[in-house]
Amino acid sequence: DAGITQSPRHKVTETGTPVTLRCHQTENHRYMYWYRQDPGHGLRLIHYSYGVKDTDKGEVSDGYSVSRSKTEDFLLTLESATSSQTSVYFCAISESDRGTEAFFGQGTRLTVV
Amino acid sequence: GQQLNQSPQSMFIQEGEDVSMNCTSSSIFNTWLWYKQDPGEGPVLLIALYKAGELTSNGRLTAQFGITRKDSFLNISASIPSDVGIYFCAGQLKGAQKLVFGQGTRLTINP
Repeated sequence: DAGITQSPRHKVTETGTPVTLRCHQTENHRYMYWYRQDPGHGLRLIHYSYGVKDTDKGEVSDGYSVSRSKTEDFLLTLESATSSQTSVYFCAISESDRGTEAFFGQGTRLTVV
Repeated sequence: GQQLNQSPQSMFIQEGEDVSMNCTSSSIFNTWLWYKQDPGEGPVLLIALYKAGELTSNGRLTAQFGITRKDSFLNISASIPSDVGIYFCAGQLKGAQKLVFGQGTRLTINP
């Protein structure tokens, strides 16, 4: 398995509270991605990073922010969680800027009540 | 919005049968990838395709990059119980850095 660890694996939070999800890699890959997975939508890109402090938006970035202060860590923050952000969140890493050969973490199931 | 159409959305087959699924788009892709996801796990890369017309196998799995670069298919031969899961296609659009995923095909196998 690629060295990707997501934490926490499960979280229940209340509407309006801030939430931070962490992705940690031991592969020294340059590119890191955050996706959300919802029934009928496959995986949708939230944000991605192409280096330390270099990030860009994906197709569903509203309500999310990210930070990457070290190569190995990529944080996803929901500033004020909403019920529509209940989802399974996956982190992925890649050596290629094409996102190919991307390796995924095990996911974080987030429930906003 | 979603730029890949993956079909079928679900399949119910008998063990030993062959399986075929595909992804189509109105856009041109530079790369096609096929992933499998088991319950409670992240997607795992099965096959990567980089050239139009490319046909690649991985054991009982075969995938092809369509000549028009707008489609791809995945075939699984002689299905076994461990093939159960959700299969996703993903593509890298021409000129883009990011992957776009299909909605997934859920495969169920009756023993």
